[in-house]
Amino acid sequence: EDKVVQSPLSLVVHEGDTVTLNCSYEVTNFRSLLWYKQEKKAPTFLFMLTSSGIEKKSGRLSSILDKKELFSILNITATQTGDSAVYLCAVEATSGTYKYIFGTGTRLKVLA
Amino acid sequence: DTEVTQTPKHLVMGMTNKKSLKCEQHMGHRAMYWYKQKAKKPPELMFVYSYEKLSINESVPSRFSPECPNSSLLNLHLHALQPEDSALYLCASSRSNEQFFGPGTRLTVL
Repeated sequence: EDKVVQSPLSLVVHEGDTVTLNCSYEVTNFRSLLWYKQEKKAPTFLFMLTSSGIEKKSGRLSSILDKKELFSILNITATQTGDSAVYLCAVEATSGTYKYIFGTGTRLKVLA
Repeated sequence: DTEVTQTPKHLVMGMTNKKSLKCEQHMGHRAMYWYKQKAKKPPELMFVYSYEKLSINESVPSRFSPECPNSSLLNLHLHALQPEDSALYLCASSRSNEQFFGPGTRLTVL
């Protein structure tokens, strides 16, 4: 059965800290791995990763994929209170159409 | 236009009502999805339409009935729902390497 596991489940840090969120997966017909940020509404797309070892970067956020060890990390540097959210990892698989398997998310709280 | 729209934003219905949720995108995406999300849980896939044809039904009860009238529209028809069906219903569309979510419809079943 396809599965995506995220760790830690929750995390509390102070502003300015750096955090690393983890996502491991076991999926057949892997196509890509996606990271989302969800506050009170719908998930917001952050990154899509398809190739191992190539870092994607957007401001203070960055992510990398290891397809051999089947995991990805999401780094957030110099955290701010606005980074407080649930971070979701999803793996896209394809068997004729696109299917997304979500992890349970990491709940990040950044204290001022 | 990189937007998926959903209506209504909120819906309260009784167990004997029939209602519909609507989703629209004009990005030319050929895959569209319905997800259900309960509080503090990740989205759960309900239906996938690819090129306007239902390709995956994740064993969803028949009281949920999807419809894809054209490549830009996706409906979810609701009938005889249960209180445990109360949740945020998210529509999404995708192309080969990214997925966009709509803002969701928050459904309450009384």
